[in-house]
Amino acid sequence: GEDVEQSLFLSVREGDSSVINCTYTDSSSTYLYWYKQEPGAGLQLLTYIFSNMDMKQDQRLTVLLNKKDKHLSLRIADTQTGDSAIYFCAENDYKLSFGAGTTVTVRA
Amino acid sequence: DTGVSQDPRHKITKRGQNVTFRCDPISEHNRLYWYRQTLGQGPEFLTYFQNEAQLEKSRLLSDRFSAERPKGSFSTLEIQRTEQGDSAMYLCASSRQGAAEAFFGQGTRLTVV
Repeated sequence: GEDVEQSLFLSVREGDSSVINCTYTDSSSTYLYWYKQEPGAGLQLLTYIFSNMDMKQDQRLTVLLNKKDKHLSLRIADTQTGDSAIYFCAENDYKLSFGAGTTVTVRA
Repeated sequence: DTGVSQDPRHKITKRGQNVTFRCDPISEHNRLYWYRQTLGQGPEFLTYFQNEAQLEKSRLLSDRFSAERPKGSFSTLEIQRTEQGDSAMYLCASSRQGAAEAFFGQGTRLTVV
């Protein structure tokens, strides 16, 4: 995870938007990913973006990619209690390199 | 359920014992990956297979670790002479070559006492 950095914690009120940020180093990555992990579980692929795109929207999720700054973000609209989890940013060539994860806590 | 399946989900073993984990990938996924995740960290790459060929092994994979995928379908990860530092979640993922998506199993949590 040393090549991918994320802030460690985010607390958000239910109904608000969450924004999780990530920086990466490998400019040759073809895709960049967001995975979600709930306690004791594996990783669930949330969404991914091709490196020549700058935005992708999928229902409540919006991914923004700034390739020049190697910055990736995930916005979750109308955050719900079920969104409480750890979110991992990852870059790939043929294997995934993950950040340390951002723990998102949704408060009522 | 046609997702990635891992067995067992939990394993407690005494230091010095050998353990083996199994991963069944999604059908027709020719790539299979093993990762290790320790508490508070993201998954770290261990090794990957394309069909039955093991194409890369991380420096994290010491001589006590061995992975196989004999028929290009399921894979096993064996740890010999386990140490307390081997305690972690071992995750398996699979993908189609050239596809963007990689899907993970639920993991095997190993505790070495």
